[in-house]
Order: sequence, then C-alpha cells, then structure tokens
Amino acid sequence: DTGVSQNPRHKITKRGQNVTFRCDPISEHNRLYWYRQTLGQGPEFLTYFQNEAQLEKSRLLSDRFSAERPKGSFSTLEIQRTEQGDSAMYLCASSSGVHNSPLHFGNGTRLTVT
Amino acid sequence: RKEVEQDPGPFNVPEGATVAFNCTYSNSASQSFFWYRQDCRKEPKLLMSVYSSGNEDGRFTAQLNRASQYISLLIRDSKLSDSATYLCAVRDDKIIFGKGTRLHILP
Repeated sequence: DTGVSQNPRHKITKRGQNVTFRCDPISEHNRLYWYRQTLGQGPEFLTYFQNEAQLEKSRLLSDRFSAERPKGSFSTLEIQRTEQGDSAMYLCASSSGVHNSPLHFGNGTRLTVT
Repeated sequence: RKEVEQDPGPFNVPEGATVAFNCTYSNSASQSFFWYRQDCRKEPKLLMSVYSSGNEDGRFTAQLNRASQYISLLIRDSKLSDSATYLCAVRDDKIIFGKGTRLHILP
C-alpha cells in the first residue's frame, strides 16, 4: 500500500514540550497539506506545499507551528512549547498538481497535551 | 461569512429513505469541489468529486450550482452503513473543508 503515511499515530506530551510529526505522501504527489481537526469540527487548514515550496500558511496558525518539506517528499510539522489547546488530530494529505485532483489523507497523528 | 458552510445535523433518517445535504461556499472563484465521508475517529475518505454537470455514483448523486454557490449530495435508498459525517471540500488554491454533516441511519 503506497498511501499517505503519518507517524507517530499517537503522541502524549506535557505542556511546554516540543513535538514533531512526520508525513510521507503518495510518492507521485507533489502537493502536501497539513490540517488539524478537533471533535465535532471539520479539518482546519494549516499549511500546504507544492514540492518543497510552502505556498500558504493559515493566518490563524501560531508562530509556534512550523512545517518543512525540504526535499519535496516527506514533510514534518513541529509544534513548539505545546499548549493544551494544541490537543487535536493532525492530518496530512497529498494530491497531484492536476486540476480537480482530490486529497488523499493519512491516518493522522493524535496529539494529547497534558 | 465562513468559507464553507454545512448544516451540522445530525440528520436521523430511516433506512431506505433518501437524504440530501447542501454545502455553501463563499469564494466564487473556487475551482473544484468534493464530498468526503468520515467515520468516527478515522481520516476523511473521498466519496466523490463534484462536476459542473452533476454526477452520480451508485446511490450517490452530487450537484454543483455555481450561480448560488452551493454543492449538494443526495443519498438514495440509505443503508445503515451510510451513517457517518459527510464533509464538503472546496478548492481555490488550498482545499477548505466544511465542519461536516452528521448522518445517522436508523434501522
């Protein structure tokens, strides 16, 4: 199966710690997206890349959040100085650059900040 | 106005009935439209893309109304297994999701 892969699946951390998540997209996809989802809400856009270029970052996103995709393949999302409000499911998705191409999601990383 | 809006529901519908959801979007320049299905504590999965002329996939029909800026999803002959949250997604550059509509199919 060459779908989108995310790890870890679960992360429990104490408030104030830094965490980093990884996403491996479908290999032929050049677009990669990060979303955050909390209970009862839809996926909230965080940022996206085309190849290694970060094209947009949500204005709602704190400076504590940073994402990279250094070689245009896998991506990492780092949250510094975590807060309890950061607890959520972090979803990664990828798509080809073709018009009308849908997103394919990974299983997500569930973050709990205690 | 939010970028993508959906009625959160829940819609409680008897098995075999027909149910329809709408989703409105604010950006008239939006290019692509999708319906996703999400089961509890799982990732969203693509249900169907929405094409300008409308499209059908088995019991599911999607429509796009650019003039009124909404998309719709119709589910015919609903099954218990259709119980899920249905998310609409709209693309301009990035892809934005609605909050989802919860559907419960009742036996």
